[in-house]
Amino acid sequence: DVKVTQSSRYLVKRTGEKVFLECVQDMDHENMFWYRQDPGLGLRLIYFSYDVKMKEKGDIPEGYSVSREKKERFSLILESASTNQTSMYLCASTPPGVRENEQFFGPGTRLTVL
Amino acid sequence: QKEVEQDPGPLSVPEGAIVSLNCTYSNSAFQYFMWYRQYSRKGPELLMYTYSSGNKEDGRFTAQVDKSSKYISLFIRDSQPSDSATYLCAMRGGNAGNMLTFGGGTRLMVKP
Repeated sequence: DVKVTQSSRYLVKRTGEKVFLECVQDMDHENMFWYRQDPGLGLRLIYFSYDVKMKEKGDIPEGYSVSREKKERFSLILESASTNQTSMYLCASTPPGVRENEQFFGPGTRLTVL
Repeated sequence: QKEVEQDPGPLSVPEGAIVSLNCTYSNSAFQYFMWYRQYSRKGPELLMYTYSSGNKEDGRFTAQVDKSSKYISLFIRDSQPSDSATYLCAMRGGNAGNMLTFGGGTRLMVKP
């Protein structure tokens, strides 16, 4: 079974702090994604990566950056956390091609910024 | 207006009922249509997907796509309390690109 793990289930940070969210997948997938999930808004794509050291902006990249130094690991960075970044953050991975329909998600990190 | 619309619910049904979950969308370029299920405090998991119009059945679940109406449905027969979850529709393809566009999700509660 594909496993996608995220470094923390719950995180509380203060405004202005730098926040790192880590995601690791164990199935050698090329594609990795970061989403945030807010009530009524569904999942919104922040950043994605098709390969090591490669990144592309999603729909809402402002205030975020990412790093992919190894194929299995994709990190989301909040440079200076703000209260409007309080949300559930979900990481996902998928192999290329038609199987991109099946994204494998981690359990999520619920981030609260005070 | 959002690209994919989904009634947030909650939808509460008795065990054994037939459940109908629906999404409407505005981008006619979408070609792949997915349904994900998300249990509380978990990430979403893919239930099934269809390509273009038509029906697809998998056990108690049937996915239906009507591209002419830009409307997709997920039917659950003989619903069980274990089906209680949030159901998210997602779409991609064509000149809409390879990224998934998600609906907001419908929360379903099946009562014993």
